[in-house]
Amino acid sequence: QSVLTQPPSVSGAPGQRVTISCTGNNANIGAGYDVHWYQKLPGTAPKLLIYGNNNRPSGVPDRFSGSKSGTSASLAITGLQAEDEADYYCQSCDRSLSSSLFGGGTKLTVL
Amino acid sequence: QVQLQESGPGQVKPSETLSLTCNVSGGSISSYYWSWIRQTPGKGLEWIGYIYNSGTTKYNPSLKSRVSMSVDTSKNQFSLKLTSVTAADTAVYYCATTALSLVPGAVGYYFKYWGQGTLVSVSS
Repeated sequence: QSVLTQPPSVSGAPGQRVTISCTGNNANIGAGYDVHWYQKLPGTAPKLLIYGNNNRPSGVPDRFSGSKSGTSASLAITGLQAEDEADYYCQSCDRSLSSSLFGGGTKLTVL
Repeated sequence: QVQLQESGPGQVKPSETLSLTCNVSGGSISSYYWSWIRQTPGKGLEWIGYIYNSGTTKYNPSLKSRVSMSVDTSKNQFSLKLTSVTAADTAVYYCATTALSLVPGAVGYYFKYWGQGTLVSVSS
């Protein structure tokens, strides 16, 4: 059981908008630590998608956006495409655990 | 763009030491913090620790007693050692660049560039 909680799966049709939540507590997200998001395709390394809650690295389409409020964060994907089918992970740091943390991951299925 | 490549044995016997090296190209080892992260079927992604050029390290408390990291600036590479391994240490191990994420009262970090990963199995 991860300290950062994500839904195991989400799905959407091409062109639709989906969101993936990441819920923490007052020792991590609620303590002010930034949330970062990664996309992982099968057999490949995770790819940084969003850093600092809502910033996209160069090359990441603006269909991907992040937000944070209180003890939670969300990743939104608009204009869903087949190539977006992947596992998505949130990541933050935890003051009590003195460690970086990853969420359990969410599998996105494009219908 | 920085590129990373992990190397090391694909199989380690229980109770022995896992040793991996990450070769860095396209950037100086002196310019970043460097992390090791692993993915196990049971626990998902787990941050192991980071090291900075100066030798500054920070390890995951759950692994701290068994982990050590080092940097070799002459070879532009850094290394991981994990002692007394068990089957629970079977995982894909990744090396990654680590960027600090500074907010008032807190210092977080995230992982920008990743190696392709290397599978290490612990079995006799």
